[in-house]
Amino acid sequence: NAGVTQTPKFRVLKTGQSMTLLCAQDMNHEYMYWYRQDPGMGLRLIHYSVGEGTTAKGEVPDGYNVSRLKKQNFLLGLESAAPSQTSVYFCASRRGTDATGYTFGSGTRLTVV
Amino acid sequence: RKEVEQDPGPFNVPEGATVAFNCTYSNSASQSFFWYRQDCRKEPKLLMSVYSSGNEDGRFTAQLNRASQYISLLIRDSKLSDSATYLCVVGGRGSTLGRLYFGRGTQLTVWP
Repeated sequence: NAGVTQTPKFRVLKTGQSMTLLCAQDMNHEYMYWYRQDPGMGLRLIHYSVGEGTTAKGEVPDGYNVSRLKKQNFLLGLESAAPSQTSVYFCASRRGTDATGYTFGSGTRLTVV
Repeated sequence: RKEVEQDPGPFNVPEGATVAFNCTYSNSASQSFFWYRQDCRKEPKLLMSVYSSGNEDGRFTAQLNRASQYISLLIRDSKLSDSATYLCVVGGRGSTLGRLYFGRGTQLTVWP
């Protein structure tokens, strides 16, 4: 099993460009999450999904959009990238709301210049 | 107030030392608790779940005090490979069921 796969792993964008980050999981997990991690800030939740076709806002949703058209995929979009969105982005999935934790992808390092 | 508060450290200890990390959480109704480990520039990985009665996994012991809303992680006989950031994590309840709340992490460096 691949677990949680994020693509791309690295990307450099110019201010104002758009891009989509893809998260794919092969564990049939219901819940999926997008986080960003910045130095000294810890992990901050951007958006999450509790099932196919559903999405919800996290702590820092502004400037991002998401879609969960298929259960295994969770897409994070940046419509007009800003330097403040330079960060490491982690996707995670979770089977349910039991005592299990998250499984994380290996991250996407995004730089906006 | 943040959901999960941790001492950021850093903790610098020699090999073989015992080190303890603590964290507090704000939601008294929380039901799931975890410690994650994150190596530099890598994704967080589950170290262990934390149960009410306390639990041990080799050199690692986790404790939960629900009355004080306090979680701890004890590492005995530290190894160089234990150097990492340790994240205290608490599960949501009610409208936030399914979410996990992460502390900012405590950095540990074990030196030879």
